[in-house]
Amino acid sequence: QITLKESGPTLVRPTQTLTLTCTFSGFSLSTSGVGVGWIRQPPGKALEWVALIYWDDDKRYSPSLKSRLTITKDTSKNQVVLTMTNMDPVDTATYYCIHIYTFGPTDVWGKGTTVTVSS
Amino acid sequence: DIQMTHSPSTLSASVGDRVTITCRASQSISSWLAWYQQKPGKAPKLLIYKASNLESGVSSRFSGSGSGTEFTLTISSLQPDDFATYYCQQYNSYPYTFGQGTKLEIK
Repeated sequence: QITLKESGPTLVRPTQTLTLTCTFSGFSLSTSGVGVGWIRQPPGKALEWVALIYWDDDKRYSPSLKSRLTITKDTSKNQVVLTMTNMDPVDTATYYCIHIYTFGPTDVWGKGTTVTVSS
Repeated sequence: DIQMTHSPSTLSASVGDRVTITCRASQSISSWLAWYQQKPGKAPKLLIYKASNLESGVSSRFSGSGSGTEFTLTISSLQPDDFATYYCQQYNSYPYTFGQGTKLEIK
């Protein structure tokens, strides 16, 4: 059974850097075709795709956020880390960690973690 | 980026109704489309992948169709548990964009 759990701060000040960790189980990020990523959802709004990292370290970012994002993996710890710099109140959202296969849909979601950006 | 557009944005229906939600892509995405159901405060749940394939464990009341730029999600006989927001997502090219969602409400 695949599970993913997000962790990180619930409150971030404007201009600060957000670091979110996804800790997963039930699969290995060294297995060919596997990817882990992030999707976010501002309160009352639609889902927004953020970033992905694949087993071979291929990384994909939302073009609108790319300059602020870094995604990394630690296969030995079963973790993926997302950093987002220069946080703004518009970045307030629930951030979901997700599992994906190459050329596949997002098939498993974490429960999400809510991040508020406020001074 | 490929833009995904739902119609309608809100749909009011009754238990037992058959409903259809449409999702249009701004360019062809072949069949690389997924549908998700999301309930308040919960993570989305995958219903349909590759436009018409039912995810394991999902009720057969859900079905998907379409290819290219126009896709539909149909729920054959609405149950109380089906009232939620539905999203389409294309995974033909990065970024894997979502539609704005269709909220299915009880009439």
